[in-house]
Amino acid sequence: GAGVSQSPSNKVTEKGKDVELRCDPISGHTALYWYRQSLGQGLEFLIYFQGNSAPDKSGLPSDRFSAERTGGSVSTLTIQRTQQEDSAVYLCASSRDSANYGYTFGSGTRLTVV
Amino acid sequence: KNEVEQSPQNLTAQEGEFITINCSYSVGISALHWLQQHPGGGIVSLFMLSSGKKKHGRLIATINIQEKHSSLHITASHPRDSAVYICAVRGNTGNQFYFGTGTSLTVIP
Repeated sequence: GAGVSQSPSNKVTEKGKDVELRCDPISGHTALYWYRQSLGQGLEFLIYFQGNSAPDKSGLPSDRFSAERTGGSVSTLTIQRTQQEDSAVYLCASSRDSANYGYTFGSGTRLTVV
Repeated sequence: KNEVEQSPQNLTAQEGEFITINCSYSVGISALHWLQQHPGGGIVSLFMLSSGKKKHGRLIATINIQEKHSSLHITASHPRDSAVYICAVRGNTGNQFYFGTGTSLTVIP
């Protein structure tokens, strides 16, 4: 597609359930980032994928969070045993090459844990 | 202490005014980004720069690596420029990004 696509756009889940958030980056973009933005807060880096390299997971807040990127394209962010503090907008961004290009954001997934 | 500080936090301007938003950072960086977030959440990457100055339409971004400072300027501001402007830097060790808390700009007709 023309842009970064994220699904679902909204997700309401019960505390303790697992959720999967999907990001479909721009075709040919080798770099992919996940961020989250909690209500009233700034952006928080979660994880970074670059090509076939091992992902940089340094921003993941706990071991309940994991992400994978299959075939160097689509990425899935999984949150296990969701907690209320996980409620946020989860944003995905992709870039042709993180060192030399800017990046394009998706419209985000608004996650609400009740 | 935040690695990235922005000022002002809030800014209200009359249409047509020249606007400056400042960003200071305390870490070594490989690149600095200016992002625009409109009400409703959509984020657009405006600039990525590692030195000097870039211009796109009415927007100008500058960076001074020695002073660890960047500015985003908007000339002839317009109500559609109303948004939150976020400064983000990519550290030069690893892939960590650090974000400012944003500057909320309102341009009044």
